[in-house]
Amino acid sequence: EPEVTQTPSHQVTQMGQEVILRCVPISNHLYFYWYRQILGQKVEFLVSFYNNEISEKSEIFDDQFSVERPDGSNFTLKIRSTKLEDSAMYFCASSDGSGQPAQHFGDGTRLSIL
Amino acid sequence: QKEVEQDPGPLSVPEGAIVSLNCTYSNSAFQYFMWYRQYSRKGPELLMYTYSSGNKEDGRFTAQVDKSSKYISLFIRDSQPSDSATYLCAMGGSYIPTFGRGTSLIVHP
Repeated sequence: EPEVTQTPSHQVTQMGQEVILRCVPISNHLYFYWYRQILGQKVEFLVSFYNNEISEKSEIFDDQFSVERPDGSNFTLKIRSTKLEDSAMYFCASSDGSGQPAQHFGDGTRLSIL
Repeated sequence: QKEVEQDPGPLSVPEGAIVSLNCTYSNSAFQYFMWYRQYSRKGPELLMYTYSSGNKEDGRFTAQVDKSSKYISLFIRDSQPSDSATYLCAMGGSYIPTFGRGTSLIVHP
């Protein structure tokens, strides 16, 4: 079964540095998402991406964050000037755009800011 | 009041038990309701989704929605140790769902 893949599985970074989290969505999917899950808390929506542009973003997704689809397969989340509170699991998801709400998630990248 | 409330548990049951997992919500605009299963160190895996009030069954899993009470449930019949995971409810009116905190389920042999 097709799956969403994310790399790296774990990223350790010094505070203030920039990180890029990478995702390969399911190949025929049209909508792409990033979510964040702080340890012990709920999954929170960050941003959705469709037709090469951001379609919706949450209050969390401020100027520190950016997303890009650099080619036909990858979808990236860049976090600039990382802070301690950015430590979390970051999940990428994709959906096929058929109108059904089902989103398929990757296994996430655990981001640890030191 | 939070939009989606879900008891974090843990809920511990013996193998073979019927499990009931629940969420309440406050937003009347929610039109679809989903259940995800999340194993440790893995991403959420979609189990079921439904749009309407009533029951939807898939194997050992039954999703129940009561829109009048703003209450949804997931029932697991004949629970197995492999069902041990965190179960997340999620719901929304647009294509961006709002998640509950998840309930940790432990099924012991």
